[in-house]
Amino acid sequence: QVHLQESGPRLVKPSQTLSLTCTVSGGSISSGDHFWGWIRQPPGKGLEWIGYIYYSGHAYYNPSLKSRVTIALDTSKNQFSLKLSSVTAADTAVYYCATRQFSSYVFDIWGQGTMVTVSS
Amino acid sequence: QSELTQPPSASGTPGQRVTISCSGSSSNIETNVVYWYQHLPGTAPKFLISSNNQRPSGVPDRFSGSKSGTSASLAINGLQSEDEADYHCAAWDDSLNGVIFGGGTKLTVL
Repeated sequence: QVHLQESGPRLVKPSQTLSLTCTVSGGSISSGDHFWGWIRQPPGKGLEWIGYIYYSGHAYYNPSLKSRVTIALDTSKNQFSLKLSSVTAADTAVYYCATRQFSSYVFDIWGQGTMVTVSS
Repeated sequence: QSELTQPPSASGTPGQRVTISCSGSSSNIETNVVYWYQHLPGTAPKFLISSNNQRPSGVPDRFSGSKSGTSASLAINGLQSEDEADYHCAAWDDSLNGVIFGGGTKLTVL
């Protein structure tokens, strides 16, 4: 069973870059079964899809965030990462890593999530 | 439309049937499968069921999903206290070329 765990700084200053890593256990990010992605939930709001990446390295991003987002794979560590640049208070949220099935748009496995606050 | 529309809250008593709606458009719900997630506070969201009733093992058949036109619904029969959670709908949007979620519905078991 695949297990996901987010890690990274909990506090980021405005205008800086938010960086998170998702460590995958129980499966390989080099398999073609899943996309590897990120979803966030600002306090009091709904979930928002950020993007996901396939083992080939091809990434897909939410158009509203595309100019600021990079998702990348590190196959040597079986991890994938999220970088969100030029953050503001509006980027304060719980960030989840999750897998999307290759054959559908369902996110079937989620990490526990990590709260990231943007504040000076 | 960048977000699907859900009622912010719903409630029911144990044993009751409750439905939660999810409204969208021709570019998302009408043409794509809708997925429902159950989210208990402090835990990871969990895939619950789809609009074509695909469900992971372990999800009881008290939960059912359906859609008609640009709207989808999650129905819970025989409501139990452990069903108290937030429920989110999601679908691919052909216009936005991305996944969109609803704002979430907080279900309270009275």
